[in-house]
Amino acid sequence: DAKTTQPTSMDCAEGRAANLPCNHSTISGNEYVYWYRQIHSQGPQYIIHGLKNNETNEMASLIITEDRKSSTLILPHATLRDTAVYYCIVGVQHGSSNTGKLIFGQGTTLQVKP
Amino acid sequence: NAGVTQTPKFRVLKTGQSMTLLCAQDMNHEYMYWYRQDPGMGLRLIHYSVGEGTTAKGEVPDGYNVSRLKKQNFLLGLESAAPSQTSVYFCASRRQSSYNEQFFGPGTRLTVL
Repeated sequence: DAKTTQPTSMDCAEGRAANLPCNHSTISGNEYVYWYRQIHSQGPQYIIHGLKNNETNEMASLIITEDRKSSTLILPHATLRDTAVYYCIVGVQHGSSNTGKLIFGQGTTLQVKP
Repeated sequence: NAGVTQTPKFRVLKTGQSMTLLCAQDMNHEYMYWYRQDPGMGLRLIHYSVGEGTTAKGEVPDGYNVSRLKKQNFLLGLESAAPSQTSVYFCASRRQSSYNEQFFGPGTRLTVL
């Protein structure tokens, strides 16, 4: 599985968009980009995933560059409850041949400030 | 629908003692995972299971054993606890046919003295 690089920490003002970058320059053609987050003392929570195209759901948007070597997770209107560690993970998607092992790095600690 | 539950929430052991952590899910998921998280670190995979009666090793399996006798339960055992196993343990599950959305439990905080 490809390795990812994320900034250690970021701040964001409440109500503003939070843009969290991730580099995955060694990603291979069949690997997806996943984002999870972990609010203090809780289990991680799935946010979104994508392969090539930009994706959006009720929680966030995922922008993947055309060469797929980097991506950005966007929280459009950050709230205090979005303060968490955000993990960018690269891996093969689904199917019976995929064991679904997730390799967590240290992630980005996002602090949303009033 | 409780999702993924873990028992116990907290535990303190002495070196050499044994214990079993229980993970239960009510979503009929095929795949289940055990991770550990040390302070300031990301999660590391200990063992996983792709179905009832099957288990496999993850990144850090040494010192742990697992069993999946029922589809809804995944047990993690420590036969002889060591201080290096002080950690927070998370269980997760997912559907076999889905993309890799794993549902995590609330964690078990284990301290080995």
